[in-house]
Amino acid sequence: EAQVTQNPRYLITVTGKKLTVTCSQNMNHEYMSWYRQDPGLGLRQIYYSMNVEVTDKGDVPEGYKVSRKEKRNFPLILESPSPNQTSLYFCASRPFASGRWNEQFFGPGTRLTVL
Amino acid sequence: TQLLEQSPQFLSIQEGENLTVYCNSSSVFSSLQWYRQEPGEGPVLLVTVVTGGEVKKLKRLTFQFGDARKDSSLHITAAQPGDTGLYLCAGARETSGSRLTFGEGTQLTVNP
Repeated sequence: EAQVTQNPRYLITVTGKKLTVTCSQNMNHEYMSWYRQDPGLGLRQIYYSMNVEVTDKGDVPEGYKVSRKEKRNFPLILESPSPNQTSLYFCASRPFASGRWNEQFFGPGTRLTVL
Repeated sequence: TQLLEQSPQFLSIQEGENLTVYCNSSSVFSSLQWYRQEPGEGPVLLVTVVTGGEVKKLKRLTFQFGDARKDSSLHITAAQPGDTGLYLCAGARETSGSRLTFGEGTQLTVNP
């Protein structure tokens, strides 16, 4: 089954404790992205990657890191989480075709609470 | 300020009623997508519109892209409880490369 998986689905942590949220897709998609979703603000892009070893900042990259060492994986790293990073996080992937938008597939989400 | 403004933010209607959700911007988009999200899940793509004035239909859902490619609407005919969810519009600007900008969403509740 074609899918995007995220782990963990739920995480409660404390300020300053480094954490990683994993994302994996089995559709051989070039493009992967991380979003956070907050009430009244919709989905905001954190980072995206157009292929292996190619990453770029989205609209709200501060406090986050990503890596793309393999095509299927795109982990999100919070080196020193703070309470304002409490949010619902989504990973997404799609084929990359210059000049047109293909369907973007979203993972099930990770609800993160930083105390 | 949101680049894409959706209205209304909340909508509660009775089964069988019609409704329209709007997605507006002052920017031009090369394409616009509509997604539906249910609680505990990620958004799922409903449609992509790319041509100004384009109209697409998906069963009881009708999507329209404005002539100037700055706005879009989603019309649902004879709403059903299964239509309940968060509806999100998302636009790709020609100047933003591969980035997609989302509206804040419209939470629709259809009561039986």
